[in-house]
Amino acid sequence: DAMVIQNPRYQVTQFGKPVTLSCSQTLNHNVMYWYQQKSSQAPKLLFHYYDKDFNNEADTPDNFQSRRPNTSFCFLDIRSPGLGDAAMYLCATSRLGARQTQYFGPGTRLLVL
Amino acid sequence: GIQVEQSPPDLILQEGANSTLRCNFSDSVNNLQWFHQNPWGQLINLFYIPSGTKQNGRLSATTVATERYSLLYISSSQTTDSGVYFCAVEGLGWDGSEKLVFGKGMKLTVNP
Repeated sequence: DAMVIQNPRYQVTQFGKPVTLSCSQTLNHNVMYWYQQKSSQAPKLLFHYYDKDFNNEADTPDNFQSRRPNTSFCFLDIRSPGLGDAAMYLCATSRLGARQTQYFGPGTRLLVL
Repeated sequence: GIQVEQSPPDLILQEGANSTLRCNFSDSVNNLQWFHQNPWGQLINLFYIPSGTKQNGRLSATTVATERYSLLYISSSQTTDSGVYFCAVEGLGWDGSEKLVFGKGMKLTVNP
């Protein structure tokens, strides 16, 4: 089945130690998104790619970076994780354009010690 | 930007009961999706419904775009329906790109 895959499902890192989360998709969608979701809150969009065109949200901290080496893969890099970055990170994909359904992966839960 | 409000914020039901979740949005939208977030955190698409009515088993949804609201109906609820339900609409981001704007969610607990 076509799907959105995220690895790992759980990630523990130390304060200040860089961490990378990965997302892959078999849907061949042009657009990939990264969301951050903290406990009891709605998902918050960090950034998204239209193909290789990177679009950062205005309030996304510089500590968060992303890479998309090809259509299938997208990475979220947190350069110096703080305790406040502990959250669920959700990857989603969609076709390009308006009125497109977004499909979400299972998420990676990040714990910062 | 576009505002999305969901009600009620929390709901507790006995198994077998019916429920209606409401989503109000502040502007016309091209896209509206309902999601169920299960206890493990995955967001599962329930409906893509910018207008009209759709049904999928015990779930159905209606969006009245001209009045800027959507309703999600859950009939004969089961314990597996527990979780958080999100409504999300497509609005314009600060750079003009389309993005999903989520409501704050509604936590549903179905007791056996």
